[in-house]
Amino acid sequence: DAKTTQPPSMDCAEGRAANLPCNHSTISGNEYVYWYRQIHSQGPQYIIHGLKNNETNEMASLIITEDRKSSTLILPHATLRDTAVYYCIVIRDDKIIFGKGTRLHILP
Amino acid sequence: DTGVSQDPRHKITKRGQNVTFRCDPISEHNRLYWYRQTLGQGPEFLTYFQNEAQLEKSRLLSDRFSAERPKGSFSTLEIQRTEQGDSAMYLCASRTGPSYEQYFGPGTRLTVT
Repeated sequence: DAKTTQPPSMDCAEGRAANLPCNHSTISGNEYVYWYRQIHSQGPQYIIHGLKNNETNEMASLIITEDRKSSTLILPHATLRDTAVYYCIVIRDDKIIFGKGTRLHILP
Repeated sequence: DTGVSQDPRHKITKRGQNVTFRCDPISEHNRLYWYRQTLGQGPEFLTYFQNEAQLEKSRLLSDRFSAERPKGSFSTLEIQRTEQGDSAMYLCASRTGPSYEQYFGPGTRLTVT
């Protein structure tokens, strides 16, 4: 399995950018990095994915290092509704192997 | 645009009883996945289907568990002779090619007493 490593928790002040790091040193050349989040008692929600170029959508930006061994998810203006567990994932063999993710606390 | 739906949202059952959960994927999504999530953990893969064919089962899926997707649309997950250790959130997800992102339903929370 393509393991990912994330810090267990992070704090971010409301209105500031939240930067969530992820290490994925065993990623293969054709594997994408995916980010999901899970708000309490809900199903995981897809956020964004990328291969090697930086990506941006209406929810977030994804910065992938040139060697592809790590990435950072950026929530540009965090709100209280962004409080959730964020999962960095490399999908292999069409299965998602979730780790424990990063619990993001947004501080008012 | 309706997302993935699951029914029921909550189920309380007594140990030893059988339970069945239903998942309706997003229309036209040919791949359907089941996951289980216990408290404080990330979801764990159980099984998945392409159309009506069950392609893979995790070793977590004991012989008390069975999943079907008879017409390639909705799917059911049945647990026979439930045990307290089966208490968890059961999540369903679906996707369609070529992109790999899966879209999750709200889950069914099972409590075995």
